[in-house]
Amino acid sequence: DAGITQSPRHKVTETGTPVTLRCHQTENHRYMYWYRQDPGHGLRLIHYSYGVKDTDKGEVSDGYSVSRSKTEDFLLTLESATSSQTSVYFCAIMASGRGNEQFFGPGTRLTVL
Amino acid sequence: DAKTTQPPSMDCAEGRAANLPCNHSTISGNEYVYWYRQIHSQGPQYIIHGLKNNETNEMASLIITEDRKSSTLILPHATLRDTAVYYCIVRVGSYSGGGADGLTFGKGTHLIIQP
Repeated sequence: DAGITQSPRHKVTETGTPVTLRCHQTENHRYMYWYRQDPGHGLRLIHYSYGVKDTDKGEVSDGYSVSRSKTEDFLLTLESATSSQTSVYFCAIMASGRGNEQFFGPGTRLTVL
Repeated sequence: DAKTTQPPSMDCAEGRAANLPCNHSTISGNEYVYWYRQIHSQGPQYIIHGLKNNETNEMASLIITEDRKSSTLILPHATLRDTAVYYCIVRVGSYSGGGADGLTFGKGTHLIIQP
């Protein structure tokens, strides 16, 4: 599982509240990613990080911000959650090298009422 | 990244080889073929990748045609636990200085292993 944990694993919140999801890795990988997955869609990239304090936007970044103050933690924040952000969120790391394969965490199921 | 085409669903009998096809006719010379799978409600799992040679690991084999326009993932002895959605993804590998951005997932193939 490449030492990836996500917290919380499940969360129910109300529209307009801030929410922060945490991704933690134990293997010192440089690259980390946040995806969301919705019915009828494959995984879509929200943001990614290529080092401490270095982040970039993905395909569906509107309404989300990220921070990476330590190599091991990548935080995803919904400043003011909306019902359209109800989704399953997956964090991933990239194993740098020949193949650049990505390894995913177990996911966080977020429901915004 | 090059576009891929996969059948939406396939069935396979338990114990038999499951052969999952993928078309990627616009693949570039520096793009690799990656396979991932997602078992219901879990995070995607990396399976295998290759550039032009056939590859095998403990999970599967990857056969890439000589013109690299298509490939086949082979699960040699499918079990019920192999029921999942399988994604074929084409993207630049690290040797070409790229591949650090996110993966682009299509709809994949839903493989159902029948007892």
